[in-house]
Amino acid sequence: NAGVTQTPKFRILKIGQSMTLQCTQDMNHNYMYWYRQDPGMGLKLIYYSVGAGITDKGEVPNGYNVSRSTTEDFPLRLELAAPSQTSVYFCASSYPGFDSNTGELFFGEGSRLTVL
Amino acid sequence: GQQVMQIPQYQHVQEGEDFTTYCNSSTTLSNIQWYKQRPGGHPVFLIQLVKSGEVKKQKRLTFQFGEAKKNSSLHITATQTTDVGTYFCAGPWGGYQKVTFGIGTKLQVIP
Repeated sequence: NAGVTQTPKFRILKIGQSMTLQCTQDMNHNYMYWYRQDPGMGLKLIYYSVGAGITDKGEVPNGYNVSRSTTEDFPLRLELAAPSQTSVYFCASSYPGFDSNTGELFFGEGSRLTVL
Repeated sequence: GQQVMQIPQYQHVQEGEDFTTYCNSSTTLSNIQWYKQRPGGHPVFLIQLVKSGEVKKQKRLTFQFGEAKKNSSLHITATQTTDVGTYFCAGPWGGYQKVTFGIGTKLQVIP
C-alpha cells in the first residue's frame, strides 16, 4: 500500500495564481484532512471530510477550497495565491476510531508551497 | 480562544536526561493523541489515550491522560539523539473528528 500520496512535493507560485494540491489514499479511510504548517509552527487544520460528498471547515479555511467526490481523493484548491499561503501542506487520513474516538491519522509526506 | 496549551515549546537536554512535554486542555476530551515529527518529515502517530487516568508505555516513552481528561503528558526517560523532533498532542477540540493540534514541543538532544 502506498498510504497517503501528495503531489506535487514542491511548487513555486506567483501572487494571484491558482493551483490544486492533490491527495489520494489507498487505505479506504473515511476521514481526510488538510493541514498547513508554517516554519517552526504547529499544524493548522484547513478543511476536513468525513466521507465522499461531505466537507467542513477547519481553523484556517480562508483562501482554500476542497472537494471530496471519491473516498480516495481529497484535493485542496488555492485560489488567488498570496504570500501568506507559503507553507508546507500535509494531507492526512484516518479510519473511524472505537467508541466515537478519533482514529490514528496517517500523513502524506507534505507539499512545500512558496508564493512569490 | 485557545483550547489547548502545550508546554514547553522548546527543550534542550543532554543525552541521557529525561524529558517531559505537557498538553493542557480547557475542555474535557474524549481522547488525545500524540505524534512525533522529525526535522523535515511528516507527523507520525505515537499513541492514543482514551480512559481517565490512563498510563501507557512504549519502551522509554510514558504517556499519561489526566483523571479529568483535560491534561496529558509525554515523558521520555534517558533521551537519545534519535528522540530529536517535535512532539505534538492532538485531539477533537473542534468537535468530533475535527482533529486539531497543539503547538508542539521541539526537543533537541545534545550528545
